[in-house]
Amino acid sequence: QKEVEQDPGPLSVPEGAIVSLNCTYSNSAFQYFMWYRQYSRKGPELLMYTYSSGNKEDGRFTAQVDKSSKYISLFIRDSQPSDSATYLCAMSGTQGGSEKLVFGKGTKLTVNP
Amino acid sequence: GAVVSQHPSWVICKSGTSVKIECRSLDFQATTMFWYRQFPKQSLMLMATSNEGSKATYEQGVEKDKFLINHASLTLSTLTVTSAHPEDSSFYICSARGLATETQYFGPGTRLLVL
Repeated sequence: QKEVEQDPGPLSVPEGAIVSLNCTYSNSAFQYFMWYRQYSRKGPELLMYTYSSGNKEDGRFTAQVDKSSKYISLFIRDSQPSDSATYLCAMSGTQGGSEKLVFGKGTKLTVNP
Repeated sequence: GAVVSQHPSWVICKSGTSVKIECRSLDFQATTMFWYRQFPKQSLMLMATSNEGSKATYEQGVEKDKFLINHASLTLSTLTVTSAHPEDSSFYICSARGLATETQYFGPGTRLLVL
């Protein structure tokens, strides 16, 4: 079993739809959870960062972490064509230092106008 | 805040030459920098982790003599691909993390094409 599982999609939705992106993980030591957005031929851009369980909202984006189920989600409300990108979940177990991030494979999202 | 730059953004070189890629943290001090490569339609693959002033730690299967990493200051790390070959053609991305940040901030990437 891989440490982080993420459905690669592709996922295609109409403009204005609510998008749900998910990752599951197996390592219970993970405490820091991130979502990155990567446009084609660009570096990943940090979207959301959460620590431990709970919800975090930032504009149209909401990140959820359920540590008991080892499941994290990113919701995008009122999706826009500019949201079309690959979304990567990432997580780590400790703060700072040389701790590596473990990435999901990424979900490719297309929002159709 | 938390801006990371990379230079060059793309490079084409002949087989056998060496290529240096720079990664800079522009507005914070990066105690740790990471180098990744990414093949088309695949996720990021960590190559090495470097801490300022010390030797880089390479991931299994990554040749440290081929991919030379230097992290001489808190704002600059370099990756040198020595004697590059066509199979080294890829998208190389760096990321940086400071003491005050819990996460990694990525550069825009460098596309390398070896002919």
